Amino acid sequence: EVQLVESGGGLVQPGGSLRLSCAASGFTFSSYWMSWVRQAPGKGLEWVANIKQDGSEKYYVDSVKGRFTISRDNAKNSLYLQMNSLRAEDTAVYYCASQWLDGWFDPWGQGTLVTVSS
Amino acid sequence: SYVLTQPPSVSVAPGQTARITCGGNNIGSKSVHWYQQKPGQAPVLVVYDDSDRPSGIPERFSGSNSGNTATLTISRVEAGDEADYYCQVWDSSSVVFGGGTKLTVL
Repeated sequence: EVQLVESGGGLVQPGGSLRLSCAASGFTFSSYWMSWVRQAPGKGLEWVANIKQDGSEKYYVDSVKGRFTISRDNAKNSLYLQMNSLRAEDTAVYYCASQWLDGWFDPWGQGTLVTVSS
Repeated sequence: SYVLTQPPSVSVAPGQTARITCGGNNIGSKSVHWYQQKPGQAPVLVVYDDSDRPSGIPERFSGSNSGNTATLTISRVEAGDEADYYCQVWDSSSVVFGGGTKLTVL
């Protein structure tokens, strides 16, 4: 069964850091671009970052550039998102998703909630 | 940056056809993907590459894309289709989502 499982979410103070992880199973993780997508409470989907199969290319939405870093470990079938200098507006459910040829996402993980508040 | 525009809401009676639009500049030249999201759940891909369906998605779901508008069509709408729907493209190494459309089944 193809599966993505996120972990690492929680409550953090403004200016703090958090590292999200996504464990992949049931497919050849190293063959796919991977992405993080977030959804603020009651809002729509927002793409955060993605990374090429070998990690040689990484792209970010403007609002997280310089604060968030996406990475992957193909030997461990894992995707990561290091989030620094967190702000209240980063509060959201963060999903990891595998990204196919023309950019569609399938499957998605169940999401992990990040709350930035004092 | 590229912008995708969806109507906030669409309402349809059971058994009728729902059409959800996604507008973007020359979107017909891009590949458009659609997701269904029910409350408290992760999004699910329902149409990719404008009009292809993943395995397990009913034939009632179809898509088209031309000019400045892409459309997700749901035929013979059922109560279980009530959800938020999002369109998405991959544009110049950046991923863009539409704002989402809430489909209400009357």
